Amino acid sequence: GNSVTQMEGPVTLSEEAFLTINCTYTATGYPSLFWYVQYPGEGLQLLLKATKADDKGSNKGFEATYRKETTSFHLEKGSVQVSDSAVYFCALYSGGYNKLIFGAGTRLAVHP
Amino acid sequence: DGGITQSPKYLFRKEGQNVTLSCEQNLNHDAMYWYRQDPGQGLRLIYYSQIVNDFQKGDIAEGYSVSREKKESFPLTVTSAQKNPTAFYLCASSDWPTSGGRNEQFFGPGTRLTVL
Repeated sequence: GNSVTQMEGPVTLSEEAFLTINCTYTATGYPSLFWYVQYPGEGLQLLLKATKADDKGSNKGFEATYRKETTSFHLEKGSVQVSDSAVYFCALYSGGYNKLIFGAGTRLAVHP
Repeated sequence: DGGITQSPKYLFRKEGQNVTLSCEQNLNHDAMYWYRQDPGQGLRLIYYSQIVNDFQKGDIAEGYSVSREKKESFPLTVTSAQKNPTAFYLCASSDWPTSGGRNEQFFGPGTRLTVL
């Protein structure tokens, strides 16, 4: 079945450090891929998305590239800020199933 | 502004009581979803609805019930049959299936339910 695997957290970084959060998936066909962010005590917000192979989603300095050959969608940011501290969820949608499949989430803590 | 509202933000329930969580959207989306989130875990799908007067069980539907009488509303009832209801509950909507297969979901702010 379809599944998403994220790197375990927490990820702890200093401000202005480079961020990578790994995400790999298993799916039939050509899924759409998403990164959502959840700030403490809030719901999820869509951060970025990619709908086909080699697409790059980007938003607020975050980027992720849809790599079909490695079935990956790693999230990156060149210089993190304290305000980026949150939980990040990778998710996929595969046609034929009408629900998103979420990874377990990765907590990011950025210190000044 | 278009969006999803959930109420209340915090809810306390005594054991043995049913409680209903509200979810309203003004995005004109056909599909709506309820998820449960436990500390340090991902989201688990409880119920979803693709159209008014129709809904389907998700992965953890036992002890929960829903209704979809209006397009904009999808309330969730946590019944006394739910053994461990303390959790954070998230409602979402999407314009699936008209979104071209992307199923981008928009989330509400959540309701934190605590059983006393």
